[in-house]
Order: sequence, then C-alpha cells, then structure tokens
Amino acid sequence: DIQMTQSPSSVSASVGDRVTITCRASQAVSSWLAWYQQKPGKPPKFLIYAASSLQSGVPSRFSGSGSATDFTLTISSLQPEDFATYYCQQANSFPPTFGQGTKVEIK
Amino acid sequence: ELQLLESGGGLVQPGGSLRLSCAASGFTFSSYAMSWVRQAPGKGLEWVSAISGSGSTIYYPDSVQGRFTVSRDNSKNTLYLQMNSLRAEDTAVYYCAKDYYGSGINYYFDYWGQGILVTVSS
Repeated sequence: DIQMTQSPSSVSASVGDRVTITCRASQAVSSWLAWYQQKPGKPPKFLIYAASSLQSGVPSRFSGSGSATDFTLTISSLQPEDFATYYCQQANSFPPTFGQGTKVEIK
Repeated sequence: ELQLLESGGGLVQPGGSLRLSCAASGFTFSSYAMSWVRQAPGKGLEWVSAISGSGSTIYYPDSVQGRFTVSRDNSKNTLYLQMNSLRAEDTAVYYCAKDYYGSGINYYFDYWGQGILVTVSS
C-alpha cells in the first residue's frame, strides 16, 4: 500500500496567517491526490482533487499543488472557520490511502 | 439537496455481524460509484469498500476482505455494508461516500454521510 505522510502533524496559527501543509507519498501517485477538511464530529469535506483542482464552492484561499510524491495544501489567509484537521488521500493506486492528518489550531 | 444517511450501527460482540445502510437522495444514485470509509475513535480515515454504479465491480482492502460485503439496491437508492466476524479493531464511525466522477470507481469522495458508530465489544 502507498503510505501518505503529512507534515506537520499539527500547526498553531492566527487568523490571517498563511498555512502550508505537506503530503508525501511513498510511491508516485501522478496527480491523483485529494485534500479533505474535517471538523470535530463532522464528516470530511472534499476540498481539492487532482492535486490542484478546487471543488465547487470551496473558497479560493485554499489551493493545492504538486505531483508524483510531493504535494502541498496552502491556505492563503486563515479564517476562523478553517480551524480543523486536514487529510490528503491518494487515488492513484489500490487501495486508496489517507495521510494521518494535520490539525490546524488557534494560536 | 444531496443527502446520504447511514443507519444500522450499534454495539455488537466480537465475532458478531451487523448490516449498515446508506440512504441516498438528491442525485441519480445508479450513476455513481459509492464507498464506505471508516474512522476509529481519535484516528485517521480508512477506506473499506467500493462498488461501481451498476454494482458489477467491487473492491475491498485486505483488512476486511472476506468479512465485509458491500452491495447496493439502485431501485431503493440504498447502499449496504454487511459486516461479519467483527473484531474490536473494526470499532469506528462508518461513513458512506459518493464517488466524484461517476459510475466507475475513482476514489475521490465528494459527499459524505454524517457517519454511524459501530462498537465491537463484549
């Protein structure tokens, strides 16, 4: 199985900060990479697919980049509603696998 | 509005069985592959099954292969997960999730249900 490793595991940031989360795959996954946001007690929300395509309705402050093994999720200006846990997920190889999550906390 | 609503969870003893259901509305159910994804308490996400829109293609990871069976009834807009020989490590919130692209299985999950808790304990 492809291992997805996110860093950092948690980050403390303030409203208005730029936040970057990294996801590394143990094997190349081309651009078959998605990002999800999850708040406590809620299901994950689909943010980005194909590494950099923004899902409809997702604010433009979210962006994704990367290919092969290294990917990045960037929140350009953190808003109060963005405090959550973020997961990357590869969809290139069976079985699909998720990163361990990155918790974005209030500083 | 697209909705996915899971039911059928609860407490079950090790070795027992449980069947989860996911009622779908707000989209053409038969046109989309569906998956089940679980999340153990305080842990990350694990995909546990996928089924194509027609039901003809089904996949499982090794962790549940031979114990879990996914199925769908497109006439009832409902997805199922039959779970047998349950173990303590199967304890999790189970989500049904809709595939983003269509009837083929592509593993991008654009809509998720609220989740249902399955607890395996004696």
